[in-house]
Amino acid sequence: EVQLVESGGGLVQPGASLKLSCVASGFTFSDYWMSWVRQTPGKTMEWIGDIKYDGSYTNYAPSLKNRFTISRDNAKSTLYLQMSNVRSEDTATYYCTREYYGPHYWGQGVMVTVSS
Amino acid sequence: DIQMTQSPSVLSASVGDRVTLNCKASQNINKYLNWYQQKLGEAPKLLIYNTNNLQTGIPSRFSGSGSGTDYTLTISSLQPEDVATYFCFQHNSWPAFGSGTKLEIK
Repeated sequence: EVQLVESGGGLVQPGASLKLSCVASGFTFSDYWMSWVRQTPGKTMEWIGDIKYDGSYTNYAPSLKNRFTISRDNAKSTLYLQMSNVRSEDTATYYCTREYYGPHYWGQGVMVTVSS
Repeated sequence: DIQMTQSPSVLSASVGDRVTLNCKASQNINKYLNWYQQKLGEAPKLLIYNTNNLQTGIPSRFSGSGSGTDYTLTISSLQPEDVATYFCFQHNSWPAFGSGTKLEIK
């Protein structure tokens, strides 16, 4: 069974950095592109970006490219999202997904709240 | 950027009804269109990918169609467990989600 478990969320102050993790199990992690998607409190969904199965290539939403970095450690079956200089509009639930013609399997999500 | 517009934003129907949800792209997305179901408090779940391919384990009452800029998700006979918000998603070019259709039971 495919499982994706996110962690690392919480309350963070504006301007701070935060790193989310997603541990995968139930499949060969190194065979799949992976991505991050977020959903705002108003339920708007936004695709953040993805990373190639070997970590050699990444894509980002243009509006987030300069502040967010996606990486992976295939030996640990773990996907990461490094967020820097966070803003109130980054408040959302962040989902890790395994891709196959778009997000296919989703984790349960982790909440990030940006507030002073 | 491609904009995805879903209609209606809220749909109320009776159990057993045939229900149609719409998704319109601002330009041709070459059938690279997925549908997701999100129940209250849960993560989204893939229903259909690339317009009309049913994800494994999804009931056959769900189907998808469309081409070019216009796409449809159809539920042939609405069930109580289908109450959810449905999102479309295009991955032809820069990926983007629609704003969702909330489906309710009358």
